Amino acid sequence: GQQLNQSPQSMFIQEGEDVSMNCTSSSIFNTWLWYKQDPGEGPVLLIALYKAGELTSNGRLTAQFGITRKDSFLNISASIPSDVGIYFCAGQRAREEYGNKLVFGAGTILRVKS
Amino acid sequence: KAGVTQTPRYLIKTRGQQVTLSCSPISGHRSVSWYQQTPGQGLQFLFEYFSETQRNKGNFPGRFSGRQFSNSRSEMNVSTLELGDSALYLCASSLWQGGTEAFFGQGTRLTVV
Repeated sequence: GQQLNQSPQSMFIQEGEDVSMNCTSSSIFNTWLWYKQDPGEGPVLLIALYKAGELTSNGRLTAQFGITRKDSFLNISASIPSDVGIYFCAGQRAREEYGNKLVFGAGTILRVKS
Repeated sequence: KAGVTQTPRYLIKTRGQQVTLSCSPISGHRSVSWYQQTPGQGLQFLFEYFSETQRNKGNFPGRFSGRQFSNSRSEMNVSTLELGDSALYLCASSLWQGGTEAFFGQGTRLTVV
């Protein structure tokens, strides 16, 4: 089962609003990744974080690697309709034996407010 | 630069059959990981291959297996299919083993009837 707690589970956005989501874990990770998945497609990498405390932006997206290495958040500013989709956080553990294995959150579903 | 290519995109199989899925990673990438995505369990790690060797394995039964070729292309096989194996199978490509970004293919949608 999932080992990352991702919240919120779903949210509605109105164009122009800022959106925030986060992931927490009981384990330490040395890399945090954020992905977006559209229906019928594979996850697309949005942002990768490698250092505790790191704050990284990709256009309207900003993500941070928590100081404790057990959490991360993603912010989307001034949302647009194409932001709709499912966002996943993923963590990689610190030890070499884990390789590139990713542990995923359950996802945050972004929907448009009608 | 071409992305991760998975074939086929869609597959329908009968219970008890076996299936082989294929993944071609990004050129130059040597690590290939496989994931199963279902509505109930989300994204679950199956295994990772690097330099033709399985480096990591998730908690899946032995019916799930894989291999990697010298050109880094990978295949995964599921034998004696069960209804619960219906899922989106995703392949992720990484440059190196350990702590590098993973890029996903579009997936293969397997339906077991």
